[in-house]
Amino acid sequence: QAVVTQEPSLTVSPGGTVTLTCGSSTGAVTSGHYPYWFQQKPGQAPRTLIYDTSNKHSWTPARFSGSLLGGKAALTLSGAQPEDEAEYYCLLSYSGVFWVFGGGTKLTVL
Amino acid sequence: QVQLVESGGGVVQPGRSLRLSCAASGFTFSGYGMHWVRQAPGKGLEWVAFISYDGSKKYCADSVKGRFTISRDNSKNTLYLQMNSLRAEDTAVYYCASVREDYWGQGTLVTVSS
Repeated sequence: QAVVTQEPSLTVSPGGTVTLTCGSSTGAVTSGHYPYWFQQKPGQAPRTLIYDTSNKHSWTPARFSGSLLGGKAALTLSGAQPEDEAEYYCLLSYSGVFWVFGGGTKLTVL
Repeated sequence: QVQLVESGGGVVQPGRSLRLSCAASGFTFSGYGMHWVRQAPGKGLEWVAFISYDGSKKYCADSVKGRFTISRDNSKNTLYLQMNSLRAEDTAVYYCASVREDYWGQGTLVTVSS
C-alpha cells in the first residue's frame, strides 16, 4: 500500500501563516484522493477539520483552509492561534479501497 | 447528539481473539460508511478497516488482512471489529469513526501482551 508523507514538525508564530503538506508515494495527490485533514490534541480523539480537499465542518475555524498545491494536498493556517497547537494528520483514499494516513505534523505555535 | 461508544478493549495474550463494538446514536447509522482507526501508544493514526453503509463492501489494511474482520448490524446501530491472531504490534487505541462527517468515538484500548 501507498506511503503518505507529511512534515514531521513545523513552527508558526502567533498570527502567522503556515502550510502543511501531504504527499503520496504513488504520484500527485488529486481531488480523487478525497484528502482529509484531522486535528488531534493530546489525550483526545481526532477531529475532522477538512474533507474532500477543501470542505469544512461547521466547527472548523475559518483560518484553516484546504487545497491542492504542487501535487500535494495542503492545509493552510492563516492567523495562527495558541489553541491551534496540535498534531495534524492527512488521510488519502485510494480508489475507495484503502485509505492511508500520513505520519502527522506536530505544529507548534511559538 | 451524535455518539459513538466503543467497547470490548482490554488485555489479551498474543494469538488470542477480541471483538470490539461501537454503538452509534444520534444519527442515521445505516446511511454512513464507517471506519476503524487505531493509534499505537505515542504513535500516529493508522487506518484499519472500512465498511460501506449497507455492509456490502469491506476493506482492510494489509497489516490486518486475514486476521481482522469489520462488520455491522444496522438493526442494532452497531459496528464491530473481530480481531483474531492478535500480535503485540496490534496494541493501540481503536477508534470507530465516520471520518467524513466528523463522528468519532472516544476510543478503546487494546493491549496484546503475555
